[in-house]
Order: sequence, then C-alpha cells, then structure tokens
Amino acid sequence: GAGVSQSPRYKVAKRGQDVALRCDPISGHVSLFWYQQALGQGPEFLTYFQNEAQLDKSGLPSDRFFAERPEGSVSTLKIQRTQQEDSAVYLCASSLGQSILAFFGQGTRLTVV
Amino acid sequence: AQSVTQPDIHITVSEGASLELRCNYSYGATPYLFWYVQSPGQGLQLLLKYFSGDTLVQGIKGFEAEFKRSQSSFNLRKPSVHWSDAAEYFCAVGAGNNDMRFGAGTRLTVKP
Repeated sequence: GAGVSQSPRYKVAKRGQDVALRCDPISGHVSLFWYQQALGQGPEFLTYFQNEAQLDKSGLPSDRFFAERPEGSVSTLKIQRTQQEDSAVYLCASSLGQSILAFFGQGTRLTVV
Repeated sequence: AQSVTQPDIHITVSEGASLELRCNYSYGATPYLFWYVQSPGQGLQLLLKYFSGDTLVQGIKGFEAEFKRSQSSFNLRKPSVHWSDAAEYFCAVGAGNNDMRFGAGTRLTVKP
C-alpha cells in the first residue's frame, strides 16, 4: 500500500486478555518503529526493528509487551494480560534504509476495561 | 538521551493571525529535528524536518521552522493560520541511532 497500515483501528480488551496489534509498513521500508501514545501525551518509543532484527526494545514497559517482525515486513505488537494502564494509542512507523525520517500509521486505539 | 520540551500545552489564535509554536530540545550533538501534526483520530503527519544546512526550513501547508543552536530551539511558525490548522502539534528530536523522542504536544485551537 501507499502508507503504513495498522489494524485493528480500535480494540477493546477485558483486563487480563491478550491482544495482538498489526502493522504493515510501507513496502521496501527497512526500519520499523512502535510507539505508545497515552491520552494527552506525545508518542513514547517502544521498540525498533531493522528488517527482522529487533535492535532496540528498551522502551517496552514490561515483559508483558512483545514485538516481532519475523520476515522483515509485517510486525505484530503483542500485549499479554492487559492492564488498564495499557490503554493508549499504539503507533507504528516505518522508514527507508536507516533513515530516521519515519512515516506513521493511523494507530490502534486500545482500551482496556 | 535526547529530550524535547514544548512549553505551551494549548494555544488559541484567530483565523488569519500568525502562529508560533515553541520547541526546545536537549541533545549533546547536532540533532535531527521534526515537526509533526496530528488531527483527531489520525496518525502523525510530517510537516517539516531539519537534518543539516540552512537553519530555516520550509514545510508543507505553509509552515516553516527555524533551528537556533544557541537557544536549543526549533520553533514552528505560520504567517496566517487557517481553521483547518486546528490540531495537535508535536516536536521531535532524533539521534543517529534512530531513537526519536517527542514532546508532549501543543494543541492549537483556531477561532473564527
């Protein structure tokens, strides 16, 4: 596609449920980023992939958060045993090569009830 | 690590008036600087970026920003605001390791 695509756009999860958020980056983009944006805040870095390699996961808030990009294209962010504080918009971005110029998807709004 | 401060949480301007959104950064080396805009329910759209060279950069939708190293600032400006500019604006600073940090954002309201 022409842009970064994220699905689902909205997700409501019961506390304790596992969720999986999908990101389809722009075709050919090597780098992929995940950000978490809480209400009224700026995006916070979660993790970064270059192709299939996860080079930085320092922003993942706990071991309940796990991200993968097994074939260097589509990425999945998984959150296990969701908690209310996980409620946020999760943004995915991709960039060409090692460029820091990233293009963002529309995000997935996760609400944990 | 780098960090970004956007001192103004919310700004209101009249349509047709000029606009300046402030951004201050902290980073030990020459930073990569960005301004993004986010409309409700939308992702982040890049307005402009500074990597090197001319410190006054032009972006889309009539926006510009000026990098001032001495003040560690990268303020966003527009000479005449349109109602469609109402949105949330984020300043971001990037380092060479692809680590990009965002400010908390400034919400712009445009009065008719």
